[in-house]
Amino acid sequence: SQTIHQWPATLVQPVGSPLSLECTVEGTSNPNLYWYRQAAGRGLQLLFYSVGIGQISSEVPQNLSASRPQDRQFILSSKKLLLSDSGFYLCAWSSEDRGYEQYFGPGTRLTVT
Amino acid sequence: QQQVKQSPQSLIVQKGGIPIINCAYENTAFDYFPWYQQFPGKGPALLIAIRPDVSEKKEGRFTISFNKSAKQFSLHIMDSQPGDSATYFCAASRRNGNNRLAFGKGNQVVVIP
Repeated sequence: SQTIHQWPATLVQPVGSPLSLECTVEGTSNPNLYWYRQAAGRGLQLLFYSVGIGQISSEVPQNLSASRPQDRQFILSSKKLLLSDSGFYLCAWSSEDRGYEQYFGPGTRLTVT
Repeated sequence: QQQVKQSPQSLIVQKGGIPIINCAYENTAFDYFPWYQQFPGKGPALLIAIRPDVSEKKEGRFTISFNKSAKQFSLHIMDSQPGDSATYFCAASRRNGNNRLAFGKGNQVVVIP
């Protein structure tokens, strides 16, 4: 069966510091991968998605970036965090031919102070 | 532009009641409609999904009703339990195409013992 991991689970970072969040998927090959952000008490905002290694599509212009160095690894980064980057970051995967059926990871709670 | 709209924003019911969450969509090309359940501090979990060729789908105590002409679909939680207290997100997508889900903003459901 497929499993999705995210780490760290929680993170507190000062404004202006860098960020690296990691997501890995097990039990599947060539998945579609997604990064979402969920602000407190609000909905899900798609940030990036990837259909393959090195292929990243950005949905929202911001100071975040994403990379996919390996088939089942997806990384969310920032060079300098802003207060507004605080939120709950969720990684999701789908099979390559069923992008409409997405499965979420446990999330990373990021607080920028 | 909000492609999927949910109502009500929050709902409180007694144990055994039937909370009903409604969603409306705009894009008639959508042909896959999932519901996700999210507990506090956790990632959303795919709960149940429906395609427009049927008007109703049941999985355990969860039922989706679909009205294609009205472009609306609803989640019913039969015999609700306190453990069903969560945030519920509806979404919509096209099975052929862009690998993205359009999410509603979410509804908080509280089931009182």
